[in-house]
Amino acid sequence: DQQVKQNSPSLSVQEGRISILNCDYTNSMFDYFLWYKKYPAEGPTFLISISSIKDKNEDGRFTVFLNKSAKHLSLHIVPSQPGDSAVYFCAAPRGNYKLTFGKGTLLTVNP
Amino acid sequence: DTAVSQTPKYLVTQMGNDKSIKCEQNLGHDTMYWYKQDSKKFLKIMFSYNNKELIINETVPNRFSPKSPDKAHLNLHINSLELGDSAVYFCASSPRLAGGLEQFFGPGTRLTVL
Repeated sequence: DQQVKQNSPSLSVQEGRISILNCDYTNSMFDYFLWYKKYPAEGPTFLISISSIKDKNEDGRFTVFLNKSAKHLSLHIVPSQPGDSAVYFCAAPRGNYKLTFGKGTLLTVNP
Repeated sequence: DTAVSQTPKYLVTQMGNDKSIKCEQNLGHDTMYWYKQDSKKFLKIMFSYNNKELIINETVPNRFSPKSPDKAHLNLHINSLELGDSAVYFCASSPRLAGGLEQFFGPGTRLTVL
């Protein structure tokens, strides 16, 4: 039962342009969302989060938008840099301790 | 000063063997987790321990037994390894007060069962 879906397995953008990574969810009880970034041969690292009481959260070049009616969130990276090339996971907590992850989107930023 | 460390990083073994993966965190967190990332790239939680007590067991076969000797360590022992156990296993931790929302992951252990 895939409650968090990332339908784009990969995305390629040019350096300096905007990267938009998308995530859909099915469980309307989710009230918090997180984005993790993962480089090859490393564990995921927390990037940015958003509470369901907000529709936007910004941290430097990273902004997450939440559309609760559409059960959709997106991560915007602008401007994109080659060092942003990684797999990005969307996640939502079930209960206090369980994180449900999407399948991830591989972002490649070309110089 | 690695926050969450796992050993070994790679593990290649034969079917039927028993193996262990160790995890240590130096963040002072109360809660630790084991995740499995399978060939389809899904990251799925297996176990969660809070203050050395098991709080989540996500229908993982009995062949998998986590052990938490103290708050800073959560080891994973796997008996009678099967081909389907091949995956990357990630350990993670989180501060209890954060409710487990922001988790800190180790670098992963790639297990290959031949």
